[in-house]
Amino acid sequence: AQSVTQLDSHVSVSEGTPVLLRCNYSSSYSPSLFWYVQHPNKGLQLLLKYTSAATLVKGINGFEAEFKKSETSFHLTKPSAHMSDAAEYFCVVSLEDTGNQFYFGTGTSLTVIP
Amino acid sequence: DAMVIQNPRYQVTQFGKPVTLSCSQTLNHNVMYWYQQKSSQAPKLLFHYYDKDFNNEADTPDNFQSRRPNTSFCFLDIRSPGLGDAAMYLCATSRGSGREQFFGPGTRLTVL
Repeated sequence: AQSVTQLDSHVSVSEGTPVLLRCNYSSSYSPSLFWYVQHPNKGLQLLLKYTSAATLVKGINGFEAEFKKSETSFHLTKPSAHMSDAAEYFCVVSLEDTGNQFYFGTGTSLTVIP
Repeated sequence: DAMVIQNPRYQVTQFGKPVTLSCSQTLNHNVMYWYQQKSSQAPKLLFHYYDKDFNNEADTPDNFQSRRPNTSFCFLDIRSPGLGDAAMYLCATSRGSGREQFFGPGTRLTVL
């Protein structure tokens, strides 16, 4: 069963416009949720995490995400895209009922147009 | 700064020639992971150590093995690399399972 779904494989925005990267999860339990960013030929960097505290989570580089239990979503947003935001973004869910293993989404490639 | 270090960053080997990739951490985390990431794909977990306990994913080929001689170091051994093993190999650590994982920069393996 698919535990996390990233709805868009590619997203393209103009510099200075908002960014929305979508992520949905499936779980019977309260999950821990993470967003990671990966620049070309680099490791993954944690942007932000949700672990059952505040539902609106603020991360680094101006990114934030909102946990919506009713919609089983954890979409990543940023008010104004910067050229340096161009990268691959992974939504990750960790589920108690599966031993806290990390499940990665398939990734969303963000392109920022000057 | 506390970090996860991977050496080498780029590794070239020949078909069938054993290769070892290394990972070290200064975070003092008890869990260490090895992932394989192929082009335009998400990382795929190969195995992880929870302290000294080794946990192998069911679909990890026997060709891949790992060693963790102490808390700080973890090695990935590929006994007989095939062309399909060319990938980025990522090491990660965490303080307990289910917590955020900290990733190294990766080692890109090329198999000739």
